[in-house]
Amino acid sequence: EIVLTQSPDTLSLSPGERATLSCRASQHVRNNYLAWYKQKPGQPPRLLIYGASNRATGVPDRFSGSGSGTDFTLTIRRLESEDFAVYYCQQYHLSPETFGQGTKVEIK
Amino acid sequence: QVQLVQSGADVKKPGASVKVSCKTSGYTFSGYFIHWVRQAPGQGLEWMGWILPKNGATSYAQNFQGRVTMTTDMSTSTAYMELSSLRPDDTAVYYCAKDLGVGDGDYAGWFDPWGQGTLVTVSS
Repeated sequence: EIVLTQSPDTLSLSPGERATLSCRASQHVRNNYLAWYKQKPGQPPRLLIYGASNRATGVPDRFSGSGSGTDFTLTIRRLESEDFAVYYCQQYHLSPETFGQGTKVEIK
Repeated sequence: QVQLVQSGADVKKPGASVKVSCKTSGYTFSGYFIHWVRQAPGQGLEWMGWILPKNGATSYAQNFQGRVTMTTDMSTSTAYMELSSLRPDDTAVYYCAKDLGVGDGDYAGWFDPWGQGTLVTVSS
């Protein structure tokens, strides 16, 4: 199975700062079949990005995804209060679909 | 709008089975894959498998082969996930989620929206 490793585990930033989250795959992810989700405590995950760089419906344009092959990035341009959460990457190139371990973005 | 509403929390003893329901609305149930994903307390997300309601086709993650059964009821647009031989480490929140394919059995592989989650606690 494809193992996804996210870094860092925790990112401590202030509102208004830029967040850069990394997701590295153990093997090539074909066709950029990679998604990003945001999860707040007590809530289900919410889809942010699919196909590595496509924003899901209703997702603010301060969120952007990039990357290909084995290295992918989620960037949050200017953090707002509701952005402090845990973010997961997920690949759907090979079954089983797998998730990274998550990056927690916390208020500094 | 598309909604997935899951059954309530459950407590089971080791060795028992649990069946979680996921009632959907707002779209054509038959043509879209439903995925099941679980999350142990304080942990990450683990994909369990999918079912396609139109023909009952399933795919299960190897970790759950032999213990999980996914089914649907087309008359009520409801999906079910049954997990047997429960162990304490099966304690988790179980989510259903709709695949974002274009319908009629198209598979996208990304999930939205998700149900609210069902906490299953396994304890003697």
